[in-house]
Amino acid sequence: GAVVSQHPSWVICKSGTSVKIECRSLDFQATTMFWYRQFPKQSLMLMATSNEGSKATYEQGVEKDKFLINHASLTLSTLTVTSAHPEDSSFYICSARVSGRVTDTQYFGPGTRLTVL
Amino acid sequence: QQPVQSPQAVILREGEDAVINCSSSKALYSVHWYRQKHGEAPVFLMILLKGGEQKGHEKISASFNEKKQQSSLYLTASQLSYSGTYFCGTVNYGQNFVFGPGTRLSVLP
Repeated sequence: GAVVSQHPSWVICKSGTSVKIECRSLDFQATTMFWYRQFPKQSLMLMATSNEGSKATYEQGVEKDKFLINHASLTLSTLTVTSAHPEDSSFYICSARVSGRVTDTQYFGPGTRLTVL
Repeated sequence: QQPVQSPQAVILREGEDAVINCSSSKALYSVHWYRQKHGEAPVFLMILLKGGEQKGHEKISASFNEKKQQSSLYLTASQLSYSGTYFCGTVNYGQNFVFGPGTRLSVLP
């Protein structure tokens, strides 16, 4: 299957700082990537859809000025959590869409655990 | 619209079977199944597209009943490695992919 990497795998930061998370498709090009957030014992909640060369599409309730997404190339999307606060602590997972003949499949990165002190 | 999964949790002994159900209130175009282990990202298991379709990988299989707008994941002769949270992801016609709430499966020796 397709391989997606994320960096860093975990990060601890102080409240008020910004954190950048990278998502890369290693062996394929991804015109569309997705960013999810998962709180303990909950399902994955889609935050935004990242499209190469255009602005990201954010889900309702997700602040686009706080969660900056940049999809500058066909293999890289970045999520920047600006002015992070303890309530932003979560498991952030990206996925890349792979188009099939009939339908698409998503392959996930390993996730980034963010802890804001 | 988030699909409904049942049961929420199940505990099995190694070698026992389990069924996890996923249903939607709207017509389904496709159903995707993932397994997530604690602290890790979800891993893709399989995708079902057509009503009546069944797929399998080793001792894990799934069916898709388009009329009932539901899919079931079957785990037979469960192994310890099957433990984790199973998510279905559904795609309704004209809508985006949505994950279900998950079913936590624990396989005990």
